[in-house]
Amino acid sequence: QVQLTESGPGLVHPSETLSLTCTVSGFSLTGYSVYWVRQPSGKGLEWMGRMRYNGDTSYNSALKSRLSISRDTSKNQVFLKMNSLQTDDTGTYYCTRDSGGLFDYWGQGVMVTVSS
Amino acid sequence: DIQMTQSPASLSASLGETVTIECRASEDIYSNLAWYQQKPGNSPQLLIYDANSLADGVPSRFSGSGSGTQYSLKINSLQSEDVASYFCQQYNNYPTFGGGTKLELK
Repeated sequence: QVQLTESGPGLVHPSETLSLTCTVSGFSLTGYSVYWVRQPSGKGLEWMGRMRYNGDTSYNSALKSRLSISRDTSKNQVFLKMNSLQTDDTGTYYCTRDSGGLFDYWGQGVMVTVSS
Repeated sequence: DIQMTQSPASLSASLGETVTIECRASEDIYSNLAWYQQKPGNSPQLLIYDANSLADGVPSRFSGSGSGTQYSLKINSLQSEDVASYFCQQYNNYPTFGGGTKLELK
């Protein structure tokens, strides 16, 4: 069955870099695109970036200067790196499978707190 | 970016009641609209896609409608397990989400 699992540190200090991994199973990264979406606590959802099935990437313009997404298809993993973290980057980070623009499977999310 | 304006932000309803949540896009999104349900502590789950198609396993009391820039999600005969937040999302362009509606029991 389709699964996505996020992993990474729960606590990041201000100005440091966040590194997250999304490990997928039940589908191929060369057949589906994967998005990163985040959610500040108690708030709405914001798309961050996309790893397309063909290896191309796209980024939300608001985050583009700080964000990098890559993948390792042999390990079925998609990576997110975002630098210069601030307190308003605190929230839950999800990876989700793109099915024609909508998101049919989501990971359980990883809570990231930015604090000194 | 396409802006999605969702209303109301919160909603209190009784069991068995019918509730409606609205979503307005800043431009025509040609029914490229999805609705998600997010229960506390869980990730979002797809309810509706293409504005009015029910995702697999979603109860028939949920329905979606709309076109152009105006869309709505209706829940008939509200059940206790429907207590959740609901989000709309357009996928006519890079995805954007509505601000969410928190549904509680009265």
